[in-house]
Amino acid sequence: DAGVTQSPTHLIKTRGQQVTLRCSPKSGHDTVSWYQQALGQGPQFIFQYYEEEERQRGNFPDRFSGHQFPNYSSELNVNALLLGDSALYLCASSLAVNRDTDTQYFGPGTRLTVL
Amino acid sequence: GEDVEQSLFLSVREGDSSVINCTYTDSSSTYLYWYKQEPGAGLQLLTYIFSNMDMKQDQRLTVLLNKKDKHLSLRIADTQTGDSAIYFCAERARNYGGSQGNLIFGKGTKLSVKP
Repeated sequence: DAGVTQSPTHLIKTRGQQVTLRCSPKSGHDTVSWYQQALGQGPQFIFQYYEEEERQRGNFPDRFSGHQFPNYSSELNVNALLLGDSALYLCASSLAVNRDTDTQYFGPGTRLTVL
Repeated sequence: GEDVEQSLFLSVREGDSSVINCTYTDSSSTYLYWYKQEPGAGLQLLTYIFSNMDMKQDQRLTVLLNKKDKHLSLRIADTQTGDSAIYFCAERARNYGGSQGNLIFGKGTKLSVKP
């Protein structure tokens, strides 16, 4: 049973560039959530995708956008990168029918460094 | 607003019990979660508890919930060096339009286990 996978594992970009991070949910899951974890902090919710639509969004600027594909995989895009965007980006998947328990399973994350 | 608070550090000796505490603010939270994060890794779901329960036990892990005081704790019995990690408490935000609520995390408690 494949767990949540993310790519790439590490990424280095410079200020002003754009980046795309990818996530494949756990087998059988249909909902993908993205979180940003700055160093020494807990994860902060960015947004959630279900049925190829953004269903919820946290307090992040429009520079952060995403997409969900028909196979439930997802991308996170960040434009005009800032130094403060350096963080571990975590993808979590869950199953909408388990809405009440909302058990989210996390991937290993993508470490983004902005220079 | 919604917020989750945890103490930042805990140090115990191998074989002792560890107790990690957490307070949350949203009295309507239906599920509360404990995640473990090892260095350089993603989040591993350890356990969760439904708000109508006072206690949940799973092998070496015991979760206690005091809903009146909005206090959650995780007890690890017979703590081992392999338990050294950061432990995150999380509550589920309110649902929006039927979609699953995102998770709100504390800053994490770093558990150090000394041999």
